[in-house]
Amino acid sequence: AQSVTQPDIHITVSEGASLELRCNYSYGATPYLFWYVQSPGQGLQLLLKYFSGDTLVQGIKGFEAEFKRSQSSFNLRKPSVHWSDAAEYFCAVAADTGRRALTFGSGTRLQVQP
Amino acid sequence: DTAVSQTPKYLVTQMGNDKSIKCEQNLGHDTMYWYKQDSKKFLKIMFSYNNKELIINETVPNRFSPKSPDKAHLNLHINSLELGDSAVYFCASSQQTTLFGQQFFGPGTRLTVL
Repeated sequence: AQSVTQPDIHITVSEGASLELRCNYSYGATPYLFWYVQSPGQGLQLLLKYFSGDTLVQGIKGFEAEFKRSQSSFNLRKPSVHWSDAAEYFCAVAADTGRRALTFGSGTRLQVQP
Repeated sequence: DTAVSQTPKYLVTQMGNDKSIKCEQNLGHDTMYWYKQDSKKFLKIMFSYNNKELIINETVPNRFSPKSPDKAHLNLHINSLELGDSAVYFCASSQQTTLFGQQFFGPGTRLTVL
């Protein structure tokens, strides 16, 4: 069964600084990988996804993520954080089999300091 | 023109009651899901329906019963509510006939059991 680890529970960065949120997955075959963002009191919005091909994927709101098979990682990055980026970020993996439900990591809460 | 909608948004009820949460999607998707997000923000799949057929049924108490009257609706009925059922419940949908359908999430229903 697949699993996802987000080692950082809480991260604080200054506005304008760069950001990297870590995600490690465990899955025996080709994973489908996702990053979702959840603003306070809101649902989940997809930031980006990786299925195959180019290992650097671009998403919305200036985010990108790089898939590294050798490290089983799919870290999310943003070169310059805005105060509106403060939210909870979830990495998720799905199998390429009939079971299509997402397995989520425990989330990373991002705080942005002025 | 909401893609995935849930009602109600908030639900406060007493232990032992029976309640339902409704979910509707207007995206024409063939698969719908229920996820539970606990107080620590951890998201876990509960159920999944594909074309009204149950395809995922995780280890969930049988007090929880999903019902899919048609492809656009997936309701969640909960009998004999317990304190531990307090959580945010998210409905999602996807189109599985594509390579991998992106899941679209509803805004969530915050259930509080007193």
